[in-house]
Amino acid sequence: ETGVTQTPRHLVMGMTNKKSLKCEQHLGHNAMYWYKQSAKKPLELMFVYSLEERVENNSVPSRFSPECPNSSHLFLHLHTLQPEDSALYLCASSSSQARGNTIYFGEGSWLTVV
Amino acid sequence: GDSVTQMEGPVTLSEEAFLTINCTYTATGYPSLFWYVQYPGEGLQLLLKATKADDKGSNKGFEATYRKETTSFHLEKGSVQVSDSAVYFCALRHNQGGKLIFGQGTELSVKP
Repeated sequence: ETGVTQTPRHLVMGMTNKKSLKCEQHLGHNAMYWYKQSAKKPLELMFVYSLEERVENNSVPSRFSPECPNSSHLFLHLHTLQPEDSALYLCASSSSQARGNTIYFGEGSWLTVV
Repeated sequence: GDSVTQMEGPVTLSEEAFLTINCTYTATGYPSLFWYVQYPGEGLQLLLKATKADDKGSNKGFEATYRKETTSFHLEKGSVQVSDSAVYFCALRHNQGGKLIFGQGTELSVKP
């Protein structure tokens, strides 16, 4: 059982829809991440939040909008997506202070844009 | 910049065969090194890690040793099972925060 929970596990949305992915971590961590995993491509870091502040945004299109209301929750708001945005979106968390600290991943949300 | 390079897959083995998946890295300083595994249809799970040179990480029969002199962190298992079929990712991360930098992943398929 993972300490990082993502919902929904599967989402199909049209290009004009607005939807959100939710992530919750039960590990007491203070940093959270969104990654994108597309077929045949390396894992891409999208956003990093540390202590609820966004500390990294890797040139992600504005149709992806993250929100971190507290250290346990992270959202990815989606609007007017494109078919090429179809991918597995992985949430992760970590404690930012410890040496060699591990990043723990959720099981992912499979997104299909039609 | 920092990077991780893994051997290309897919790797296909028979059950009980010996497994090696090569991983080399380029980084400044002394990062921590990780192996993650992704089973079909699932997210990434930490398999093992090592935080300093000569450390050996191990879990579920898998092992990897942090070799600073060769900048490598090869994954090994003496006898693979069908249930080990998955994609394996090597990664590095500098301490006190920072990005987790992944290799491209190596798909392993174990046949009965």
